[in-house]
Amino acid sequence: QSALTQPASVSGSPGQSITISCTGTSSDVGAYNYVSWYQQHSGKAPKLMIYDVSNRPSGVSYRFSGSKSGNTASLTISGLQAEDEADYYCSSYTNANAVVFGGGTNLAVL
Amino acid sequence: QVQLVESGGGVVQPGRSLRLSCAGSGYIFSNHGMQWVRQAPGKGLEWVALIWYDGTRENYADSVKGRFTISRDVSRNTLYLQMNSLRAEDTAVYYCGRDVSINGFEFWGQGTLVTVSS
Repeated sequence: QSALTQPASVSGSPGQSITISCTGTSSDVGAYNYVSWYQQHSGKAPKLMIYDVSNRPSGVSYRFSGSKSGNTASLTISGLQAEDEADYYCSSYTNANAVVFGGGTNLAVL
Repeated sequence: QVQLVESGGGVVQPGRSLRLSCAGSGYIFSNHGMQWVRQAPGKGLEWVALIWYDGTRENYADSVKGRFTISRDVSRNTLYLQMNSLRAEDTAVYYCGRDVSINGFEFWGQGTLVTVSS
């Protein structure tokens, strides 16, 4: 159960778009369309932003979108806003019937 | 509305046991899978365990397998995490989550802090 690989940090200016990558293997990200993305503000519980690669839960802004190619999933945030500044984690179901998270990416809105 | 409330955290000595609870309300408890995720101080999220929507399957992270047990009581709308043989590295905030998909957990509790220390 090795962690998925995410960049430690990304940054962007308000209004810009950014993409966070999440690289796994053929045993997790590449095996199923069960990739999810969570946003976490400091000291708060995680918030589900994307599930099943590209589905948005009710109430999540259309500015958040997800995709996957092979063993790499991506989260794109368009029209960056100050409130998007947070930590983002990807997660995948695995063929060992387990769940694995990425190490997290800190997004700074400059 | 959906609400999850964790309880049971605290300070415990290494080698001892602790049981966490997560009370769900605002939805049909037996229709959803649930999981436990933890976060050590200053660290990222770590998946701990999940129980399937029908209660027939449980899965565990290698780091807790054989020591932790996830279970649920549908009559009490409550999820549990029995933690035995606790270690210092189990120190974390523990969150419970309710699924919207196999690996999408839409609703979360507020978290409960477990500190393993002598």
